Amino acid sequence: QVQLQESGPGLVKSSETLSLTCSVFGDSIRRGFYWNWIRQHPGKGLEWIGHIYYSGRTSYNPSLKSRITMSVDTSKNQISLKLSSVTAADTAVYYCARDTGYQLTHPWGPGTLVTVSS
Amino acid sequence: QTVVTQEPSLTVSPGGTVTLTCASSTGAVANINYPNWFQQRPGQAPRPLIYSTYNAHSWTPARFSGSLLGGKAALTLSDVQPEDEADYYCLLYYGDARVFGGGTKLTVL
Repeated sequence: QVQLQESGPGLVKSSETLSLTCSVFGDSIRRGFYWNWIRQHPGKGLEWIGHIYYSGRTSYNPSLKSRITMSVDTSKNQISLKLSSVTAADTAVYYCARDTGYQLTHPWGPGTLVTVSS
Repeated sequence: QTVVTQEPSLTVSPGGTVTLTCASSTGAVANINYPNWFQQRPGQAPRPLIYSTYNAHSWTPARFSGSLLGGKAALTLSDVQPEDEADYYCLLYYGDARVFGGGTKLTVL
């Protein structure tokens, strides 16, 4: 079964760039799935950030598009997320999830809390 | 920007039946939106329950079912159990984009 694990700094300073990595175990990124980033603000609902296809093609949430960069490293079987110019509003748990094109599969990564400090 | 709307909260008695809905600001939800439903308990990552409108995962209890109802995606829980108390989220596909609903907090009381 595939396992996903998010990693990255738990604390980022305001106006800087948030960088996270999702490591994929038990499956190859090259198998043709979409790899999603999703976040959840404390006590709030889920927000789709965007996804990257194994080929590198991306689709981003319009509300975040100007600040997002996603990339894929097939040699490391990892995907990454960069979110620039962060503010306190970007404090959230960030999840990665595999997507077949019609479902987000199980399991997601356990999530990683990123706090933006001033 | 597309908005997906769910009931913020619902309450159901144990053994009862409840339907959660998922509406799209773009119009009627259809199978092409591949409605997904997720359950989230406190401190845990969301767990998929239903995909592509009505397809249940192997771990999804039979009392959970998905459908399209009155232009919305719907998740119906029958014979509700105390352990069903959780947050439920729908996800709709719009071509390359995905949009989550705001979530429904289900209380079993």
